[in-house]
Order: sequence, then C-alpha cells, then structure tokens
Amino acid sequence: ETGVTQSPTHLIKTRGQQVTLRCSSQSGHNTVSWYQQALGQGPQFIFQYYREEENGRGNFPPRFSGLQFPNYSSELNVNALELDDSALYLCASSLVGWGRETQYFGPGTRLLVL
Amino acid sequence: AQKVTQAQTEISVVEKEDVTLDCVYETRDTTYYLFWYKQPPSGELVFLIRRNSFDEQNEISGRYSWNFQKSTSSFNFTITASQVVDSAVYFCALSEEGNTPLVFGKGTRLSVIA
Repeated sequence: ETGVTQSPTHLIKTRGQQVTLRCSSQSGHNTVSWYQQALGQGPQFIFQYYREEENGRGNFPPRFSGLQFPNYSSELNVNALELDDSALYLCASSLVGWGRETQYFGPGTRLLVL
Repeated sequence: AQKVTQAQTEISVVEKEDVTLDCVYETRDTTYYLFWYKQPPSGELVFLIRRNSFDEQNEISGRYSWNFQKSTSSFNFTITASQVVDSAVYFCALSEEGNTPLVFGKGTRLSVIA
C-alpha cells in the first residue's frame, strides 16, 4: 500500500451539482497531483499542488479547482457537473513533484454524473 | 510534445506463458523518465518501475523485466511465467525534465487464464 488515501470511494451526483473529493498524501510527501481517468483511457493530468500552491495545470476548465492544506492533504472541487465528468479520479503524492520523482497513487474516487 | 503509445489494447495468455507489453514514446527532451504502473480491478495505480533516460540498462525484478531501447524509443515490459494475479491493466507513462506532468498511454489489458 502507498499510504495515499482518497474519499469517498464512490459518488453519484446529478448534472449541475458540485462535488468535493479528498486526498491524503503519503507521509513525507508535499506534492499532490490529480488525474481524471475516463473508462478505457489512461489518466489525464488535471493539476498539481506543491506547498499549498497550484504548481501546474492540464487542459481542464476552471470549474475544476483544488486546494492543498498545511498537512499536504488536498481537495479537488468540480462545479457545474457534466455527464462527461463521470470518471475515476486519482490522486498521487510525491516528494517535490514532477517526473523526476515517482508519484504514488491512491485508490481513486469513482464519480458517476447522472 | 510528449506522447506514449501502447498499441496492444488487450492481450490474453494462458498461465505460465511469457508475455511482453509494448510501449513506444515520443519526446524532444534528452532528459526524461519512463514508468510502468499496474491497475488491478480495484482501480489503484501500483508503481512498478521508473527509468531515467540516461540509464539504458535492462532491469529484472523477479518475474518482471524491462527492456529500454532509446534507439527505438521503446520501453517494453515482459512478464515471465505469467500468473492469474498478473491480470490487470498496465500503463506506460512518460515525464520530461522540468515542470511537466506524467503522460500516460491508453493502457494494455492483460488477462491471464488459468
């Protein structure tokens, strides 16, 4: 086990609602990255937080936002949910960040938007 | 731009057979990092290996081995004497030096039949 935890494990929402997903990073890691994995696809990078600041962002609209807390845990917020937001959301923690450091993933949150 | 191609969508083998999962990558950087992750049905991405672009030595870990060839931009993964527990989706990923995120291939679904 990586020590990265995510909650909730599953979530069902309706279109237009808002959702908050949570992630606790592995002990000693100060960087959290979020990924969206649609069915049958590889994970797509949403954004990364390093020391409570957004440190990079993928091709996702502003309704995807996040936070990182002093204990390095993180939240992913999605506003105005759309059907295409249905996916597995993965959180990964690492030391410092980016490719030179291995990212360790949590079990993910499965979001279904109806 | 970086890109990872896993041309094999699904592979099915009988237990104890050897199987090779292919990964071809594209990058303009001379410094980059390659990864393999395993995703069992539970959804969590399990880290298997990280290789930097300066280290072309092949690696063996138990039944797993990796063949990195810069000349063909490939980083292939072989499982020897496959077991049912190896059934999963396997992802190859690439990250360049600097502030770039992990870019994943679409994954290869491996089914090992008893």
